[in-house]
Amino acid sequence: QKEVEQDPGPLSVPEGAIVSLNCTYSNSAFQYFMWYRQYSRKGPELLMYTYSSGNKEDGRFTAQVDKSSKYISLFIRDSQPSDSATYLCAMSAPRDDKIIFGKGTRLHILP
Amino acid sequence: DAGVTQSPTHLIKTRGQQVTLRCSPKSGHDTVSWYQQALGQGPQFIFQYYEEEERQRGNFPDRFSGHQFPNYSSELNVNALLLGDSALYLCASSRALEQYFGPGTRLTVT
Repeated sequence: QKEVEQDPGPLSVPEGAIVSLNCTYSNSAFQYFMWYRQYSRKGPELLMYTYSSGNKEDGRFTAQVDKSSKYISLFIRDSQPSDSATYLCAMSAPRDDKIIFGKGTRLHILP
Repeated sequence: DAGVTQSPTHLIKTRGQQVTLRCSPKSGHDTVSWYQQALGQGPQFIFQYYEEEERQRGNFPDRFSGHQFPNYSSELNVNALLLGDSALYLCASSRALEQYFGPGTRLTVT
């Protein structure tokens, strides 16, 4: 079993819809959770960073962590065509410098 | 404030050759990590440098080596290139836990 599982998609939704992206993980040592956005042929851009269970909101983005279920989510409200990208979930453990990434989900927002 | 920069942008090498990739961290960051991202995959951790020393290493062979300079910039060296080394090589810099990525160097091995 991989440490981090993420559905690669592609996921296509109409403009204005709410998008839900998810990851599951197996390592209970993970305490820090991140979402990165990556446009084609670019480096990943940090969107959200959280280290506790619950919700964290930033503009149109909400990150949700459920440590008991080992499940994290990213919600995008009022989705825009410019949100079309690959979204990578990532996580790390305390005193461990490496970040473990999911494979990424390709998202297409249809105008 | 410049973010993380990497050079070159693209590189084409032949099997068996050696390559050096370069990274300048974001201002104020003292830690540099390197990742390899194959097509359609998430980035995989190669190693991390802090205070000019390799602090942690992922599951990569010794053909992959690195260096960090006193100004915190870093190099990634790959020897005896294989076709499977073709990927996007990403540098990330940090001061605390959050890592910020550069645009990457796309390496093609033929």
